[in-house]
Amino acid sequence: EAGVTQSPRYAVLQEGQAVSFWCDPISGHDTLYWYQQPRDQGPQLLVYFRDEAVIDNSQLPSDRFSAVRPKGTNSTLKIQSAKQGDTATYLCASSFQTNTGQLYFGEGSKLTVL
Amino acid sequence: GDSVTQKQGQVTLSEDDFLFINCTYSTTTYPTLFWYVQYPGQGPQLLLKVTTANNKGISRGFEATYDKGTTSFHLQKASVQESDSAVYFCALVAASSSFSKLVFGQGTSLSVVP
Repeated sequence: EAGVTQSPRYAVLQEGQAVSFWCDPISGHDTLYWYQQPRDQGPQLLVYFRDEAVIDNSQLPSDRFSAVRPKGTNSTLKIQSAKQGDTATYLCASSFQTNTGQLYFGEGSKLTVL
Repeated sequence: GDSVTQKQGQVTLSEDDFLFINCTYSTTTYPTLFWYVQYPGQGPQLLLKVTTANNKGISRGFEATYDKGTTSFHLQKASVQESDSAVYFCALVAASSSFSKLVFGQGTSLSVVP
């Protein structure tokens, strides 16, 4: 069974540039999460979806961040006008709908904003 | 809101030493508690789950126990190996959550030297 796939693995930007991260969850997992993990910190939830619907996006840092999951499968997280403070690893995770706490994480997309 | 605190940022042990990592939590409902482990270049993966019903979880030689009275839970292993070197995160899912909305601690980086 394929795991959660994320791309790109690495991105280096100048401040003000935009970047998109893509996530392909495990087949059959209807819930998808995006976490932000700054260096040497724990993951912090940004947004999560049930199928194509946003359940909670209240933790997205600002209107520079957006996330979609149009067909309830793959998802894209976009950062417009990146800032140095956005430097972090962006983790995608998926799970089946129950609240078991078992999330399956991808390897992450490491963003550096210069 | 729900929160989890790990005060041990870094732990260095020798092979065959005893491991003990503590975590405290705050939530308004009875949570389910987890330990996740993250190896370099990978996303976190579930190590152990502890519910308020069973108070204990065991996996791969690791044991997690939970103390509702002190709102703390800890991870221990009798004899660590170099392959256990990783970052360990405690996390919780609030009982009121319908989804696996994990709240993570800051992480404890374990280095095991031969």
